[in-house]
Amino acid sequence: GAGVSQSPRYKVAKRGQDVALRCDPISGHVSLFWYQQALGQGPEFLTYFQNEAQLDKSGLPSDRFFAERPEGSVSTLKIQRTQQEDSAVYLCASSRGGAGANVLTFGAGSRLTVL
Amino acid sequence: DQQVKQNSPSLSVQEGRISILNCDYTNSMFDYFLWYKKYPAEGPTFLISISSIKDKNEDGRFTVFLNKSAKHLSLHIVPSQPGDSAVYFCAASATTSYDKVIFGPGTSLSVIP
Repeated sequence: GAGVSQSPRYKVAKRGQDVALRCDPISGHVSLFWYQQALGQGPEFLTYFQNEAQLDKSGLPSDRFFAERPEGSVSTLKIQRTQQEDSAVYLCASSRGGAGANVLTFGAGSRLTVL
Repeated sequence: DQQVKQNSPSLSVQEGRISILNCDYTNSMFDYFLWYKKYPAEGPTFLISISSIKDKNEDGRFTVFLNKSAKHLSLHIVPSQPGDSAVYFCAASATTSYDKVIFGPGTSLSVIP
């Protein structure tokens, strides 16, 4: 597609529920990133994929967070047993990848509210 | 430890005047710097970037200045327009690894007509 698409745009979950957030990156983009943005803060890095390989998951806050990109295109961020502190906007971004500097293109985000 | 800092949470500027947004970083490995603009309920959109081999990059009304020795960069918007009202994020990456981009906390700019 022309841009990065994320779904759902809004998700309300009860504490303890599992949620899955989907990201469709720009076609052909090798690199895919997930960021978490809490209210009033900047995006915080969660994890990075190069094609289907998850090369960096250092930003995932706990083992309740899991991300996958099995075929090197669509990615899913899964949060198990959601807690109130997981409430945030989850942003997906993609880039061409490869050598040198690349600009990340972001989706509109998925806003998660945990009650 | 915040690697990218934006010490002004908000800024108000009169339409037509210059807006100056500041950013400081701590990681000497950063060699590529970006500014993103974000409207409510939208994702951040790329605005302008600068490589560490340059000290200035200009694109229309937007200019980014980089002072490597001070680990400081700034975004100048001249002239400011009401449509520029948004949150501006300073970001940095170390391109020797991959494209991982670290963001600052953002500055909310209001341009008053």
